[in-house]
Amino acid sequence: DTQMTQSPSSLSASVGDRVTITCRASQSITSYLNWYQQKPGKAPKLLIYAASSVQSGVPSRFSGSGSGTDFTLTISSLQPEDFATYYCQQGYSPPFTFGPGTKVDVK
Amino acid sequence: QLQLQESGPGLVKPSQTLSLTCTVSGGSMSSDSYCWSWIRLPAGKGLEWIGHIYTSGNTNDNLSLKSRVSMSIDTSKNQFSLRLSSVTAADTAVYYCARCYDFWSGHCDYWGQGTLVTVSS
Repeated sequence: DTQMTQSPSSLSASVGDRVTITCRASQSITSYLNWYQQKPGKAPKLLIYAASSVQSGVPSRFSGSGSGTDFTLTISSLQPEDFATYYCQQGYSPPFTFGPGTKVDVK
Repeated sequence: QLQLQESGPGLVKPSQTLSLTCTVSGGSMSSDSYCWSWIRLPAGKGLEWIGHIYTSGNTNDNLSLKSRVSMSIDTSKNQFSLRLSSVTAADTAVYYCARCYDFWSGHCDYWGQGTLVTVSS
């Protein structure tokens, strides 16, 4: 199985900050990497697919990059509605494992 | 707008079988472009991919669940189902169903709201 790690596990930030979350796969997954946002009591929401494609309706402040084993999710200017937990997921080979999550909270 | 809704018992006894159904509305399940997935979120933990099923009936599941998973699909009813046998307290979680792409990066764009299943005697 492909193991996914994320760093940091949590971070505190302020509105307007630039936030970067890193995801690493235990083996190459080419660009088959997705990013989700989850808020308490809600279903995950797809933000980024195929490493860098922004899902329709997702604000342009969200962007993704990377390939192979190392990936990044960037929020260019954090907004109040962005405080949530973010997960990466590999879609290269089953099981389509998720990273452990990164919780973004208020500084 | 596609909608997914999980249904099933909220309480299951240890060693019994957890059964959930996902009903899809606002669209068809018949396209070969998608697979229909189950994902769970245990309290205080991260998301865990359980498995998915195609309209053909073929499945992939997470072997870490030790072959306890079975899935079925009924496109005539716009439903797919999950059965997880021999449950323990570790299977207590919010269970989500989702529509995921069978190509690109397998991303899941539509999700149910989730249903909490508690395993307890």
